[in-house]
Amino acid sequence: ELKVEQNPLFLSMQEGKNYTIYCNYSTTSDRLYWYRQDPGKSLESLFVLLSNGAVKQEGRLMASLDTKARLSTLHITAAVHDLSATYFCASGGGADGLTFGKGTHLIIQP
Amino acid sequence: DTAVSQTPKYLVTQMGNDKSIKCEQNLGHDTMYWYKQDSKKFLKIMFSYNNKELIINETVPNRFSPKSPDKAHLNLHINSLELGDSAVYFCASSYKGRSYEQYFGPGTRLTVT
Repeated sequence: ELKVEQNPLFLSMQEGKNYTIYCNYSTTSDRLYWYRQDPGKSLESLFVLLSNGAVKQEGRLMASLDTKARLSTLHITAAVHDLSATYFCASGGGADGLTFGKGTHLIIQP
Repeated sequence: DTAVSQTPKYLVTQMGNDKSIKCEQNLGHDTMYWYKQDSKKFLKIMFSYNNKELIINETVPNRFSPKSPDKAHLNLHINSLELGDSAVYFCASSYKGRSYEQYFGPGTRLTVT
């Protein structure tokens, strides 16, 4: 059975700090996706990682993929309040759809 | 331009009723999906539909049935609604290819009373 495990599930941090969210997956698919969800809203695609060593950055967020370790990370640099949201990683895609982690609820406090 | 749209946004109904949720995408994608997000925010794939091929998650009760009149639409019909069906249902679409990046609709919040 395909599993995607995120940690931490809850993270409260101060503005200006750095932190990393981890995503372990057990699947034959090495496609890894990161999504953001704001309360009451839909899922917004952040990153698509398709190969070992892939690194993508957008603003204060950087995602990476290590297919050998079956690990992806989402690194937050100098957090700001606007980044408060729930972040999901997901693996798979294709005809079988995505398998999601449980999500990381991120609160960034002034 | 809305890429993936769903109607209705909110749906309140009683147990035992039958209801449908509509989904349309204008991205030219060839694969569409339905996901369920429960009260704990867990997201789970229910169905995927590609070129008339339906893949069903085996945990989905057969009261749920997807219907696709064409490539741009994938509707979700639910029979004999139960309290446990209350959730947010998301439609998504992707293009068959290397990335399979999925784009999600705004969601339909279903409340069964």
